[in-house]
Amino acid sequence: SQTIHQWPATLVQPVGSPLSLECTVEGTSNPNLYWYRQAAGRGLQLLFYSVGIGQISSEVPQNLSASRPQDRQFILSSKKLLLSDSGFYLCAWSELGSPLHFGNGTRLTVT
Amino acid sequence: QKEVEQDPGPLSVPEGAIVSLNCTYSNSAFQYFMWYRQYSRKGPELLMYTYSSGNKEDGRFTAQVDKSSKYISLFIRDSQPSDSATYLCAQGEGSSNTGKLIFGQGTTLQVKP
Repeated sequence: SQTIHQWPATLVQPVGSPLSLECTVEGTSNPNLYWYRQAAGRGLQLLFYSVGIGQISSEVPQNLSASRPQDRQFILSSKKLLLSDSGFYLCAWSELGSPLHFGNGTRLTVT
Repeated sequence: QKEVEQDPGPLSVPEGAIVSLNCTYSNSAFQYFMWYRQYSRKGPELLMYTYSSGNKEDGRFTAQVDKSSKYISLFIRDSQPSDSATYLCAQGEGSSNTGKLIFGQGTTLQVKP
C-alpha cells in the first residue's frame, strides 16, 4: 500500500531564515505530487504540483519554490521566510484517475 | 463569489444524531467531488469521492451530489464522538490531474456523548 511521509511535524523559524520541507511517497511510481497550504480558519490552497521529475507548476505567486529531485520526493523551499508564510503545509499525492491523499503536514510558525 | 461555499460552523449535535454537511459551488466544470475529514493537527483523510450526480453510500456516510443545483452534501448517520472533526468538501475538473482541487473552508463538527 502507498504511504506518504512528511517532516518535520512542527517548525518554528525566524523571519528571513531559509526553509526546506521534505515529502516522500512509498508504494507507487510516477505519482503526481502536490504542496497545499492551510491558513488558520481557511480552506486548503494549492501551491505547487508536479507530474514528473523536474516538472513543477506553480499555482500562486509567492515567496516559496518547489523541487522534485527524485520520482517520489517533493521539496518545498524558501530562501527568506516572511511572517505571512506561517501555516500548515500539506504534501499530497495522486495517480491518474485516483483521488488525492495527504500526509500529516508540517505546522510552520515564522516569528 | 467564492468557487466553493461551506458553512464553517461549528456544528454541535448529540451522539446518535443524523448530521448533514453541505457545500455549494459555482464552477460548472467541476466533474468530481470529494469529502475529507480532518482531525486537529492532522492531514485530511479521504472519506468519499464521486464522479456523478446522485448518492454514494459507505457505512454510516452518504455523499450526495446535485450537479444541476451545484450542491453537494455529506450525511452521517448514528453520529459518534469520534466523528468530531472538520469536514472539507473538495471539487475538481479533470480526471487527468485529480489532485488539483478547490476546497471549501471546512465545517467543524462536535458530537457530544
